[in-house]
Amino acid sequence: GESVGLHLPTLSVQEGDNSIINCAYSNSASDYFIWYKQESGKGPQFIIDIRSNMDKRQGQRVTVLLNKTVKHLSLQIAATQPGDSAVYFCAENNNNDMRFGAGTRLTVKP
Amino acid sequence: ETGVTQTPRHLVMGMTNKKSLKCEQHLGHNAMYWYKQSAKKPLELMFVYNFKEQTENNSVPSRFSPECPNSSHLFLHLHTLQPEDSALYLCASSPGREEYGYTFGSGTRLTVV
Repeated sequence: GESVGLHLPTLSVQEGDNSIINCAYSNSASDYFIWYKQESGKGPQFIIDIRSNMDKRQGQRVTVLLNKTVKHLSLQIAATQPGDSAVYFCAENNNNDMRFGAGTRLTVKP
Repeated sequence: ETGVTQTPRHLVMGMTNKKSLKCEQHLGHNAMYWYKQSAKKPLELMFVYNFKEQTENNSVPSRFSPECPNSSHLFLHLHTLQPEDSALYLCASSPGREEYGYTFGSGTRLTVV
């Protein structure tokens, strides 16, 4: 079956550095993608989304890149802060079928 | 607070108990969802309600029984659960089934003993 996955289960970065979290998806028909952040003891929180007709979208300190050729999605966090420590996971949607990845744990070192 | 409130936050129950999880949203959304989140696994969709009607049941065992009395409230009734049902149960809502602005609650951490 098709699935959404992540290249790395954990990522550790220094405070102030940029973070890049990757996601591979296998359903080429997916047309909408979302990144979520989940802090300990909380539910997933929407960060940023992108539709398949775009290859880049920027938010506040975050950028999502979509490469449909290789079915790859990434989340870039600029100037990573301790408050960014959380599990990040991507989701892909195809015809109301939303699939989630397992997540990458981001740890920010002071 | 996200606008989606789940109670209780933690629940420990025996395999012969009956309990219910509650989800409430005041965002004016029309679609509500139950997800199961187990350690190191992706979110698993369990049930979907759109305008109070159940539209999806993802092969969930009958020991889980959802109820949606109105667009603002969603329940998950639990009975004779198994230890492997221990997980974080998340409720989410969205403006409509075909709109993807999901808002999640903080979840109920369920432990079956």
